[in-house]
Amino acid sequence: GAVVSQHPSWVICKSGTSVKIECRSLDFQATTMFWYRQFPKQSLMLMATSNEGSKATYEQGVEKDKFLINHASLTLSTLTVTSAHPEDSSFYICSARLGVNLYEQYFGPGTRLTVT
Amino acid sequence: QQPVQSPQAVILREGEDAVINCSSSKALYSVHWYRQKHGEAPVFLMILLKGGEQKGHDKISASFNEKKQQSSLYLTASQLSYSGTYFCGTVSPGNTPLVFGKGTRLSVIA
Repeated sequence: GAVVSQHPSWVICKSGTSVKIECRSLDFQATTMFWYRQFPKQSLMLMATSNEGSKATYEQGVEKDKFLINHASLTLSTLTVTSAHPEDSSFYICSARLGVNLYEQYFGPGTRLTVT
Repeated sequence: QQPVQSPQAVILREGEDAVINCSSSKALYSVHWYRQKHGEAPVFLMILLKGGEQKGHDKISASFNEKKQQSSLYLTASQLSYSGTYFCGTVSPGNTPLVFGKGTRLSVIA
């Protein structure tokens, strides 16, 4: 149980275009989902926390107008990278938490974004 | 605030043991350990909750000292498959997000 999927696994896009990444919890309802970004040989850095039905909370330094997060249901969260630039190229990983008092987080397989 | 991991990297021969440490300057509710292979998402190893506990699975175990805000991951009789980057993640009280340390790169050689 506790499977999280992401789509797509990888995407290559041109500079200036927008890319949407989906994160789904397949066999549980996730009250909270998180989006992380990982650059090569670095740690996972939290970008934002999203709770179903409410606005995402962004970490300091993350542009909320550039990284649009929508958590429309208890099983789906999306991250849209708007007007992507080469410096946005990274590994984006979502994770989902089972409940408010359950602190285990399950990670999706990640999406590798390359902006040319 | 990001937890601090040590060492940054370690090289082991098969069968040797290793300890990876994780410390935080903030009060902790839980400590999570993950292993990540190159190009893949992190894989959950174990979670330790406040109250101070130890856990183990096969030859990988961990301890959590709540008072010292520290956790250690113990790998015994290492295998080649243990190679990867190990991350500790910490959660502070109040349903805060999981924050990762910078990772410890473990290489096991034959």
